[in-house]
Amino acid sequence: GENVEQHPSTLSVQEGDSAVIKCTYSDSASNYFPWYKQELGKRPQLIIDIRSNVGEKKDQRIAVTLNKTAKHFSLHITETQPEDSAVYFCAAFPSRNAGNMLTFGGGTRLMVKP
Amino acid sequence: EAGVTQFPSHSVIEKGQTVTLRCDPISGHDNLYWYRRVMGKEIKFLLHFVKESKQDESGMPNNRFLAERTGGTYSTLKVQPAELEDSGVYFCASSHLRGSEQYFGPGTRLTVT
Repeated sequence: GENVEQHPSTLSVQEGDSAVIKCTYSDSASNYFPWYKQELGKRPQLIIDIRSNVGEKKDQRIAVTLNKTAKHFSLHITETQPEDSAVYFCAAFPSRNAGNMLTFGGGTRLMVKP
Repeated sequence: EAGVTQFPSHSVIEKGQTVTLRCDPISGHDNLYWYRRVMGKEIKFLLHFVKESKQDESGMPNNRFLAERTGGTYSTLKVQPAELEDSGVYFCASSHLRGSEQYFGPGTRLTVT
């Protein structure tokens, strides 16, 4: 089955700096890669996603890149703000014949210091 | 539009007791998923319903866990009898189509003592 590794497990940055979180996946057939943000005590919320036919996607201060050959994808947050502090999860979704579940990375706790 | 709701938000039970968690998906979402996060580890898949049918239950840990979705609306996840290692946060998610965005509920924090 699919295996997703996420690094780093914790990340501390100064407000205004950039943050990068990296994930690798094992199943080359996976074709959908969402990123979820979970603030303390709240539900995981989708912040951005990318499909395997696209190499990069951007939404204001956040962007995701995908390298299918290397089987890794990354989340980039620019001009970080204290409200970006949360746990971020990457995930991979398999192709049609390989299951129906999201496989998550272990999460990254991002702390943005004012 | 109401989001995915889960009940209860917290549950503390003793080892050997039974607990039933409930999930109400977004109206019209045929796909309903249960996930679990144990001890700060990754969120792990438990099972997937399409309407009232179990599509994939490969993530269910053992036969102490029973999930149902009678009528294809809300779903319940029963743990009987509960063990210490069942403690964690149980998330429910729903999606309209397979492969479309999964919307998560707030989770139920289960503590087994």
